[in-house]
Amino acid sequence: AQTVTQSQPEMSVQEAETVTLSCTYDTSESDYYLFWYKQPPSRQMILVIRQEAYKQQNATENRFSVNFQKAAKSFSLKISDSQLGDAAMYFCAYRTSEVGGADGLTFGKGTHLIIQP
Amino acid sequence: DAGVTQSPTHLIKTRGQHVTLRCSPISGHKSVSWYQQVLGQGPQFIFQYYEKEERGRGNFPDRFSARQFPNYSSELNVNALLLGDSALYLCASSPITSGRGYEQYFGPGTRLTVT
Repeated sequence: AQTVTQSQPEMSVQEAETVTLSCTYDTSESDYYLFWYKQPPSRQMILVIRQEAYKQQNATENRFSVNFQKAAKSFSLKISDSQLGDAAMYFCAYRTSEVGGADGLTFGKGTHLIIQP
Repeated sequence: DAGVTQSPTHLIKTRGQHVTLRCSPISGHKSVSWYQQVLGQGPQFIFQYYEKEERGRGNFPDRFSARQFPNYSSELNVNALLLGDSALYLCASSPITSGRGYEQYFGPGTRLTVT
């Protein structure tokens, strides 16, 4: 079974600065998908960024980018120019790419990101 | 277009009772997944349904069951409620299942409290 570990329960960053959230995972599969989801307080979970394991290029979405190290099974999220609206719980998630297999996301425990004005 | 909707928003039940949670996916989405999120934890996968068939099941007891209707909406049923079933129950929909990297869109959740 796959596992996802987020070792930082809470992170704090000054507004406009850069912060990196860590995620490691364990799997025996060679092809899979990795995601970062954001869950603001009392609001819906939304997708921040997605990485396909077969792609070597790191995904980027505006101020959000990832550092995907497949051999190390590491998938960190970098948020540049942090904004007050970035404050939320951030979850790293894994999904198999196996066709016809169980398709649920496996989530880490989350990192609570605090933005200080 | 409307996003994923869930009802009810909040629910309080007593131990031993039964509960039914409902989810309506985004129009055109045929896959619905259910997750349980205990306070302070990440969501845990319970079920996935696609085209009215169960496609995946997480490590949950048989007290948990689900179904999907012809209009692709879904119900999650939990029997013989335990205090430990208190959680936020999330529904997520997607256009297809498995294969390539589609996104799951989450609803706002149903907050279940068991007393």
